Amino acid sequence: AQRVTQPEKLLSVFKGAPVELKCNYSYSGSPELFWYVQYSRQRLQLLLRHISRESIKGFTADLNKGETSFHLKKPFAQEEDSAMYYCALQKAAGNKLTFGGGTRVLVKP
Amino acid sequence: NAGVMQNPRHLVRRRGQEARLRCSPMKGHSHVYWYRQLPEEGLKFMVYLQKENIIDESGMPKERFSAEFPKEGPSILRIQQVVRGDSAAYFCASSPERDEQFFGPGTRLTVL
Repeated sequence: AQRVTQPEKLLSVFKGAPVELKCNYSYSGSPELFWYVQYSRQRLQLLLRHISRESIKGFTADLNKGETSFHLKKPFAQEEDSAMYYCALQKAAGNKLTFGGGTRVLVKP
Repeated sequence: NAGVMQNPRHLVRRRGQEARLRCSPMKGHSHVYWYRQLPEEGLKFMVYLQKENIIDESGMPKERFSAEFPKEGPSILRIQQVVRGDSAAYFCASSPERDEQFFGPGTRLTVL
C-alpha cells in the first residue's frame, strides 16, 4: 500500500529565509505527486503537481524517484505563505489521494 | 461556479444518533471523493463515487458508514449510531473526468 510521510509537523522561519518542506513516499509504481495548501479559514487547494513542473507562488518541487521524495521549496518565504501544507500521492489520474500528515509553516516577520 | 458545497458545516450528535453529511459537487463534475481528518492527522480517503456508482470504498469502515451519489441531488455520507471516535472533519472533493480534485470546506462532526 502507498504511504506519504511528512516528517516535520511545524516549520517556523523568518520572512525572506528559505523554506523546505520534506515529503517522502512509498509506492512501487510511478505515482503522481501533489502539494496541497490550506490557508487559515480557507479550503484545501492544489498548490502544484509534479507533472506540470511549474513554479507556483515561488514554490517548486522536484520528484526524486531514487530517493522517493517530493520536497517543496521556496527560496524567500513570505508572511502570506503561513499555512498548512499537505503532500499527496495518486496512483493514477482519477484515483484517490493518499495524504501525508501535513506540515504547518509559520513565517515570522 | 460556487465551488464544492458541503452542509452542514458543523454537526453535533449524541452517541447512537445518525449523522448525514451532504456534498454538492462543482457544476459539471461527476466524480466525488470523501475524506476524513481526525484531530492532528492528515486526510484519509474513505470512498470514491460516480453518479449512482461506488467506484472505490476501500477506506470506508465496514460497519455503520455508507455513501451514495444519486442521479439527482448531492452525495450523502451517512454514519449510523455515531460514537465518539467518529468526531472528525469530513471533506468532500469533486473532479471532472480523471482530473484535479477540488475540495469543499468540510463538515466538522462532534459526537457528545
